[in-house]
Amino acid sequence: QVQLQQSGPGLVKPSQTLSLTCAISGDSVSSNNAAWNWIRQSPSRGLEWLGRTYYRSKWYNDYTVSVRGRITINPDTSKNQFSLQLNSVTPEDTAVYYCAREGVGDYYFGLWGRGTLITVSS
Amino acid sequence: QSVLTQPPSVSGAPGQRVTISCTGSSSNTGAGYDVHWYQQLPGTAPKLLIYANTNRPSGVPDRFSGSKSGTSASLAISGLQAEDEADYYCQSYDSSLSGWVFGGGTKLTVL
Repeated sequence: QVQLQQSGPGLVKPSQTLSLTCAISGDSVSSNNAAWNWIRQSPSRGLEWLGRTYYRSKWYNDYTVSVRGRITINPDTSKNQFSLQLNSVTPEDTAVYYCAREGVGDYYFGLWGRGTLITVSS
Repeated sequence: QSVLTQPPSVSGAPGQRVTISCTGSSSNTGAGYDVHWYQQLPGTAPKLLIYANTNRPSGVPDRFSGSKSGTSASLAISGLQAEDEADYYCQSYDSSLSGWVFGGGTKLTVL
């Protein structure tokens, strides 16, 4: 049974970097059959897909246009987890952040982490 | 404003049937990309309810069904139960944005 466990600080100051980690159990971040995503949810923006990382003989990343240039999603094979970094945050980045698993060719998110509320405030 | 359009709310009495619509455009649902549905109970993460327009993951009751035609998709819930009260979201892929997009969500109230 695949599980995703999120961790990270809940409060980030404006202009700083938001960092979250999603630990995977029951699957591998290097699996050729999955992609590992970050999605956020806020009252103003609703559900917003941020990006993903996946391995198909080499590592790939895809990011949504709205945060491209500020976002990095990295796999950590030694710890079987993946991370989200979002730079130069503003109060608009306040949201619940979810990690989620996407099966190869699925185009949907079959498994979600529990979510982490990130508040951007000084 | 979400790329996929859903009604903000729907309601129905226990035992009744309700439908939730999801309308996209030529770069997402109208381009043939599948629509997927999620149920979000209060205080929890979204949970996959319907995938690839009509398919239910294991464990999802057959009271939930999905359909798609052209640029629109629908989620139908029959035999409404109190525990169905939740937010429901549709999701698809958008070729113009090169990414996954969601509807704004529909709050289902069981009267």
